[in-house]
Amino acid sequence: GQQLNQSPQSMFIQEGEDVSMNCTSSSIFNTWLWYKQDPGEGPVLLIALYKAGELTSNGRLTAQFGITRKDSFLNISASIPSDVGIYFCAGQLSPGTYKYIFGTGTRLKVLA
Amino acid sequence: DSGVTQTPKHLITATGQRVTLRCSPRSGDLSVYWYQQSLDQGLQFLIQYYNGEERAKGNILERFSAQQFPDLHSELNLSSLELGDSALYFCASSVDGGGEQYFGPGTRLTVT
Repeated sequence: GQQLNQSPQSMFIQEGEDVSMNCTSSSIFNTWLWYKQDPGEGPVLLIALYKAGELTSNGRLTAQFGITRKDSFLNISASIPSDVGIYFCAGQLSPGTYKYIFGTGTRLKVLA
Repeated sequence: DSGVTQTPKHLITATGQRVTLRCSPRSGDLSVYWYQQSLDQGLQFLIQYYNGEERAKGNILERFSAQQFPDLHSELNLSSLELGDSALYFCASSVDGGGEQYFGPGTRLTVT
C-alpha cells in the first residue's frame, strides 16, 4: 500500500543529543500527524499540523509542516532514555479523501 | 490512556477461521478507523467509518469487512484467515472525518 518516505529508518543517539527525522512524499498533504509507538502498544499522538509552514512544539518535541505541503519534520531536543521507540508520521491527502498514509517509521534508540 | 478500547487484546486462531475484533471510540468521536500492522511494518489503513457510514477504504481484503453500529462502536470481521493475516490490528477514532486520530491498544491476531 501507499506509504510515506520517512528517514532515517533507525538511529542510535547519546542521551542529551538532539534528534531530527522527516517525512517526504510526492503528494500534497492537508494534515500531518506525528506519533510515537512503543513495542506492542498503540501509537500515541505527539503533534498535529494543519497549515503549510506551521511550526508546533510539545515539550521537547517540535514539528513543522513543510511549505510545499509535501514534507514534515520532527525534532526532539535533549533526548532521554524514554524517547526510545518508533516514530511515525501520518499525512492526510487533500481534503475530502479522509485517508491517512503512514510513514515507514524511524526507530530511535537512546544510549545512556 | 487514549480513551479508545479494543477487545480482545490477543486472539489465536487457525487458518480458515473467522474472527471479530471490536472497538469502542473515545466519547464524542464519530469516526472510527481500522489499521493493520504486520511485524516491524508500518500501519496500513484498512477502512474508515463516520457516524455509521463507510467514509474511506484502503487496502482492505475482500475477506475482511467492518461496520459501525448506532452506538458508534465498530467491529472488524476477518474471515477465511490465512497465516499472513497475523498482525496487530488497531482501531483509531477522531471527532470528525479528519484531524487528530487517537489509537486503541490494538488486538494481536495470531493465525496458526
